[in-house]
Amino acid sequence: GQQLNQSPQSMFIQEGEDVSMNCTSSSIFNTWLWYKQDPGEGPVLLIALYKAGELTSNGRLTAQFGITRKDSFLNISASIPSDVGIYFCAGRAYSGAGSYQLTFGKGTKLSVIP
Amino acid sequence: DSGVTQTPKHLITATGQRVTLRCSPRSGDLSVYWYQQSLDQGLQFLIQYYNGEERAKGNILERFSAQQFPDLHSELNLSSLELGDSALYFCASSDSLGTNTGELFFGEGSRLTVL
Repeated sequence: GQQLNQSPQSMFIQEGEDVSMNCTSSSIFNTWLWYKQDPGEGPVLLIALYKAGELTSNGRLTAQFGITRKDSFLNISASIPSDVGIYFCAGRAYSGAGSYQLTFGKGTKLSVIP
Repeated sequence: DSGVTQTPKHLITATGQRVTLRCSPRSGDLSVYWYQQSLDQGLQFLIQYYNGEERAKGNILERFSAQQFPDLHSELNLSSLELGDSALYFCASSDSLGTNTGELFFGEGSRLTVL
């Protein structure tokens, strides 16, 4: 099956620093999504990317859909304590019978030191 | 609040037992997905239902089964439980087969502990 390699697995940063994480795949996806999971909660969508090369921002978050359609990155600028959580990338691909499936990366656990 | 409701939030049981996890999707959503989240394993897709019919299967064990009822709520049944089944089980819903934005709305999860 499809697999996503997400890195880094975890990171500790100082408040105010910028953060970068990425996902790569051996398969092509037609959509990349980035989710955040706060402690004790379910994942929530942050950004969705629909076209190869697309660069999209949502506040301090910026994500890009790689030109090869096999990778994506997420940047967080000027981190704050509430950025703490696990960030998941997800690739969406057609799975047959009119359905699309999401494949998730293993997550990047972000800790922000005040 | 995503609009997806999962019960119970926490469940502790013994090996060999059987449990049922329940999910109510967002109002109007026809698709329900089940995911398992174990330590260091990310979100593993288990199974998807759309309007009562099974649409896709992932890494779901034969000891596990699911169904979606006419009112669109779904249940995940886990039987002959083993220690390794301890995990967070998430339900997610979407308004389609994933043909629109691809966004899934997740519940808060059911944490299963098998002792």
